Amino acid sequence: EAGVAQSPRYKIIEKRQSVAFWCNPISGHATLYWYQQILGQGPKLLIQFQNNGVVDDSQLPKDRFSAERLKGVDSTLKIQPAKLEDSAVYLCASKLEGRTNEKLFFGSGTQLSVL
Amino acid sequence: KQEVTQIPAALSVPEGENLVLNCSFTDSAIYNLQWFRQDPGKGLTSLLLIQSSQREQTSGRLNASLDKSSGRSTLYIAASQPGDSATYLCAAPNAGGTSYGKLTFGQGTILTVHP
Repeated sequence: EAGVAQSPRYKIIEKRQSVAFWCNPISGHATLYWYQQILGQGPKLLIQFQNNGVVDDSQLPKDRFSAERLKGVDSTLKIQPAKLEDSAVYLCASKLEGRTNEKLFFGSGTQLSVL
Repeated sequence: KQEVTQIPAALSVPEGENLVLNCSFTDSAIYNLQWFRQDPGKGLTSLLLIQSSQREQTSGRLNASLDKSSGRSTLYIAASQPGDSATYLCAAPNAGGTSYGKLTFGQGTILTVHP
């Protein structure tokens, strides 16, 4: 079974530039999440999709971050403009239906460095 | 708001030792608690998921326990091996007991097992 695919693996940009990350969840998984993991910390949820609808984006800094999941499959996360404090690993995860007893599968993440 | 704390932050042991990783959470109204493993530069892999109605779960040399009343979970690793070296994170659903992947993570315990 193919896992959660993310690209790029690494990205280096200067502050105030824009950047986009891509995620392809496991086939058939309806629920998709984006997490931000700052070095030395646990992942923090940014946004949750159920199919192509947003379920929770309460912790997404909407003045600079945006995300979409067209057709309920792939998803993109964008930052515009980037700040130094956005340097982190951005993890995508998916679940089959989003039920409480389902396992959560993570991609390898995109490591972002903002200079 | 759910808060998750892990102790110790780092642990270094010789191969063959049995060890215990600790996780505490502030809101006991949870549906489950999950333990993950994260290797350097990789995403997270789900190890064990303990339902709130369960007291423990076992997988191979791993055993996780849950005590909701005291807000604690422990991960026991028997006969540790160098391949167990990784960061171990626990995660609990956000306060209110709703859990559709809305997990609050601890900061992790960095485990090093040396030959």
